[in-house]
Amino acid sequence: NAGVMQNPRHLVRRRGQEARLRCSPMKGHSHVYWYRQLPEEGLKFMVYLQKENIIDESGMPKERFSAEFPKEGPSILRIQQVVRGDSAAYFCASSPSEVDTQYFGPGTRLTVL
Amino acid sequence: QQPVQSPQAVILREGEDAVINCSSSKALYSVHWYRQKHGEAPVFLMILLKGGELKGHEKISASFNEKKQQSSLYLTASQLSYSGTYFCGTEKRISGYALNFGKGTSLLVTP
Repeated sequence: NAGVMQNPRHLVRRRGQEARLRCSPMKGHSHVYWYRQLPEEGLKFMVYLQKENIIDESGMPKERFSAEFPKEGPSILRIQQVVRGDSAAYFCASSPSEVDTQYFGPGTRLTVL
Repeated sequence: QQPVQSPQAVILREGEDAVINCSSSKALYSVHWYRQKHGEAPVFLMILLKGGELKGHEKISASFNEKKQQSSLYLTASQLSYSGTYFCGTEKRISGYALNFGKGTSLLVTP
């Protein structure tokens, strides 16, 4: 059973460009979580999705950030007009149900020049 | 609300024991423990559920005191592979089950 897949693993963008981060959950998992980790800091929750629904986006900045988890295909975290402060590692995790183990993907390391 | 972890960092010799604490100002429903090595993804260690159910690791144990709203992770007879940053996560329980993570405890095991 393949683990959580994320791509790209590394992404470099210039200020003002868009970043699209993809997450394919483990097979059979319908719950996806996105977390951001700044250098030398802990994981900060951003958004929690189930198929076609955003359940909790309380950790997501109000502007420029959006997330989706369509019926078919991976979950996408989209950052428009990136700024240097968006540079971080973005992890997604998936779980088979609520209150269950969240398995993390390898992360996407975003660098904004 | 972010849980508070202590200590921030600890250095051990191989074979020694360590305890990492995680406390919350809000009621805890479950506590999740992860270990992250530098540049890698967090790896699941343990989940402790209200009521005492525990799922996780063979060589690492943990406790969950619901009344005191805290959890402790016990690393016994530490091995070099235990080095990394340990995070505890507590459920947000607002409209879902996302986790609030503490700032982490950095553990270094030396030969």
